Amino acid sequence: DIQMTQSPSTLSAFVGDRVTITCRASQSVTGWLAWYQQKPGKAPKLLIYDTSTLESGVPSRFSGSGSETEFTLTISSLQPDDFATYYCQHYNTYPSLTFGGGTKVEIK
Amino acid sequence: QVQVVESGGGVVQPGKSLRLSCAASGFTFSRYAMHWVRQAPDKGLEWVAVISYDGSTKYYADSVKGRFTISRDYSKNTLYLQMNSLRDEDTAVYYCARDRRMGGQTAKHFDYWGQGTLVTVSS
Repeated sequence: DIQMTQSPSTLSAFVGDRVTITCRASQSVTGWLAWYQQKPGKAPKLLIYDTSTLESGVPSRFSGSGSETEFTLTISSLQPDDFATYYCQHYNTYPSLTFGGGTKVEIK
Repeated sequence: QVQVVESGGGVVQPGKSLRLSCAASGFTFSRYAMHWVRQAPDKGLEWVAVISYDGSTKYYADSVKGRFTISRDYSKNTLYLQMNSLRDEDTAVYYCARDRRMGGQTAKHFDYWGQGTLVTVSS
């Protein structure tokens, strides 16, 4: 099974900072990679799919990049609403749809 | 607007069974694959199962294969997850989620999620 490793596990940042979260796959997932945002007690929200395609309604300060085994989610200017936990997910084939362990973005 | 609402969670003893439901509205239920994803307390997300738009194809995570069964009722626009032989490690919030793409070629990622229903397996 493909393992997804996110780093860092926790990140402290100021409003306005540029933030980058990394997701590494144990083997190539081509470009089949999505990112979700989850706030406490809420369901995850799809932000990006196919590595870099922004889901409808998601602010343009979010962007994704990468290929094969290394992917990044970047928030260009962190806003108060962005403090949350972020998960990557690969989706090559069933039944191997695996999420990363999550990155919690906290206020500094 | 698109809505999926889970129900059926609760406290159950190890080895027992439980059936979760997910009522869908605001979209053509019969055109989308549907998934279950779970999250153990203070843990990450784990994909559980998928059923194709026409119900003909189902896949399961290895951790639940042979114990859980996913199904759907088009007359009720409802997705189900029958969970048998429950274990302590099945304790989680279970989310119902819509596949982002219509039809047979599933996207394998999820654009609408319910609020989740908590299943606690404990003696």
